[in-house]
Amino acid sequence: NAGVMQNPRHLVRRRGQEARLRCSPMKGHSHVYWYRQLPEEGLKFMVYLQKENIIDESGMPKERFSAEFPKEGPSILRIQQVVRGDSAAYFCASSPVEGIEGYTFGSGTRLTVV
Amino acid sequence: GQQLNQSPQSMFIQEGEDVSMNCTSSSIFNTWLWYKQEPGEGPVLLIALYKAGELTSNGRLTAQFGITRKDSFLNISASIPSDVGIYFCAGRRSGNTPLVFGKGTRLSVIA
Repeated sequence: NAGVMQNPRHLVRRRGQEARLRCSPMKGHSHVYWYRQLPEEGLKFMVYLQKENIIDESGMPKERFSAEFPKEGPSILRIQQVVRGDSAAYFCASSPVEGIEGYTFGSGTRLTVV
Repeated sequence: GQQLNQSPQSMFIQEGEDVSMNCTSSSIFNTWLWYKQEPGEGPVLLIALYKAGELTSNGRLTAQFGITRKDSFLNISASIPSDVGIYFCAGRRSGNTPLVFGKGTRLSVIA
């Protein structure tokens, strides 16, 4: 299965801890997108990355959130000092080089902050 | 940020009925897409539309890209229980800009 792989599927963190979410794009896809979904809500764009570059981070909160997509390895979304309001489903998607097609989404990481 | 207006918010229908949902925006989009999300999973692409006026089918699903480029609709004919889920519209304004999503239409099918 060469789909978008996200891990972990579920993550529980205490307030103040760090959360690290991983995403491996589909084979041959070099564009990665992170979205956040709150209960009963649609998906809100957070950040768009290509290998070693952040292309658009207009949806990222200014503090505590960061993302990277290194030359080797998965894309990482990091949330420092988590708060209850960070509890949500975080989805990663990828698209081919041309980027004109729809995205392929992973199954998401459900973050719960207690 | 930019948000698409999707309606209805939820629908309860009898098995075998047809379903229609739509999405509107105050801005022009160059691409419209429709996704379906089932519980505990990520959205799955159903139909992609790239040209104003385009009408595209995928089995019992039909979607159209509005002439004004500010709207799109999705029809599901002869609904079945496995159609249950949340349907999202998504649009892209240009080039490789990120997709913007609607809030979804929650579809329930009563057998």
